[in-house]
Amino acid sequence: GENVEQHPSTLSVQEGDSAVIKCTYSDSASNYFPWYKQELGKGPQLIIDIRSNVGEKKDQRIAVTLNKTAKHFSLHITETQPEDSAVYFCAAINFNKFYFGSGTKLNVKP
Amino acid sequence: ETGVTQTPRHLVMGMTNKKSLKCEQHLGHNAMYWYKQSAKKPLELMFVYSLEERVENNSVPSRFSPECPNSSHLFLHLHTLQPEDSALYLCASSQEGPGPYSSYNSPLHFGNGTRLTVT
Repeated sequence: GENVEQHPSTLSVQEGDSAVIKCTYSDSASNYFPWYKQELGKGPQLIIDIRSNVGEKKDQRIAVTLNKTAKHFSLHITETQPEDSAVYFCAAINFNKFYFGSGTKLNVKP
Repeated sequence: ETGVTQTPRHLVMGMTNKKSLKCEQHLGHNAMYWYKQSAKKPLELMFVYSLEERVENNSVPSRFSPECPNSSHLFLHLHTLQPEDSALYLCASSQEGPGPYSSYNSPLHFGNGTRLTVT
């Protein structure tokens, strides 16, 4: 089966700095990679996703990159704000099965 | 109301109680899921229902019993739980592609969970 590894487990940045979270996957059949943000007391919410036929996708301050050859994908948040503080999860999906990373707790210090 | 709604938001139960968690999705999806989220652990998939048929059961103890009466509603019936079952239980839905080996994927949409405490 698929194995998704996520790093780092915690990340602390100063407001305005950039944050990068990285994930690797093992199964080349995985073809869809969503990212979720989970705030305290809430369920994970989809923030951006990328399919295997695309190398990069941007949505305002967040972007995701995918390297299919190396089997890794990354979340980039620019100009971080205190409201970006949350736990972020990556996932890899193939054949309708979802495999999640273990999460990154991002703390943005004002 | 839109999205995925879970009730109750918080539940405290004794080990001999019987309770149920409820989930409702308003997205027109054809698949629903139960996940368990414990502190410092990855999300654990418990059950998957596709077109109201259970298609996955990840070796979950029988004290957890799911029910999916239609494509919009999902229940998790709980009885004689253990303290280690205390966790956040998340419901999710998605639109699956045709067949178990479909390469079409859509994202999971999660509810806000039920925080369960077993005393």
